[in-house]
Amino acid sequence: GDSVTQMEGPVTLSEEAFLTINCTYTATGYPSLFWYVQYPGEGLQLLLKATKADDKGSNKGFEATYRKETTSFHLEKGSVQVSDSAVYFCALFTGNQFYFGTGTSLTVIP
Amino acid sequence: DGGITQSPKYLFRKEGQNVTLSCEQNLNHDAMYWYRQDPGQGLRLIYYSQIVNDFQKGDIAEGYSVSREKKESFPLTVTSAQKNPTAFYLCASSIMVAETQYFGPGTRLTVL
Repeated sequence: GDSVTQMEGPVTLSEEAFLTINCTYTATGYPSLFWYVQYPGEGLQLLLKATKADDKGSNKGFEATYRKETTSFHLEKGSVQVSDSAVYFCALFTGNQFYFGTGTSLTVIP
Repeated sequence: DGGITQSPKYLFRKEGQNVTLSCEQNLNHDAMYWYRQDPGQGLRLIYYSQIVNDFQKGDIAEGYSVSREKKESFPLTVTSAQKNPTAFYLCASSIMVAETQYFGPGTRLTVL
């Protein structure tokens, strides 16, 4: 069935380090792909999205490229800040339902 | 200010009691959703509604019920039949099912 697999955390980085959080998916057809972020005690917020192959979503310095050949949508940021500490969820929409990954916790230390 | 509100933020209930979680949106969205979040398991879909007076079961609907009498409101009832109800519950909405979802702040339910 359709699913999303993302790298397990927790991930701990120093401020200004490079971030990659891996996400791969299994789906029939042409899903839309999303990254959501959840700060402590809050709901999820959309970070970025891509709706077709080779699209690049970007927001707040984060980027992810929809790679159909590798069925991946890895999240990257060149220089993380303490305020980026949160849980990040990869998600896909297949046409009638959203599927979320298990989340990757990121802690950025000064 | 447009958005989604969930109340209460924290909820405690005794075992065997039904409890209703509120979700309201003023975004004029047609679709609404309920998810359950447990540590290490991500989000799992409980129910969703594409339009007023219509709703569909998600992956883990057993022990839950919903209603969609108004476009703005999508309350979730956690019944005594739900065996492990302690969790963080998230409500979301979107313009329609295919679109980006917007989430409320969540309700943390604890069964004592």
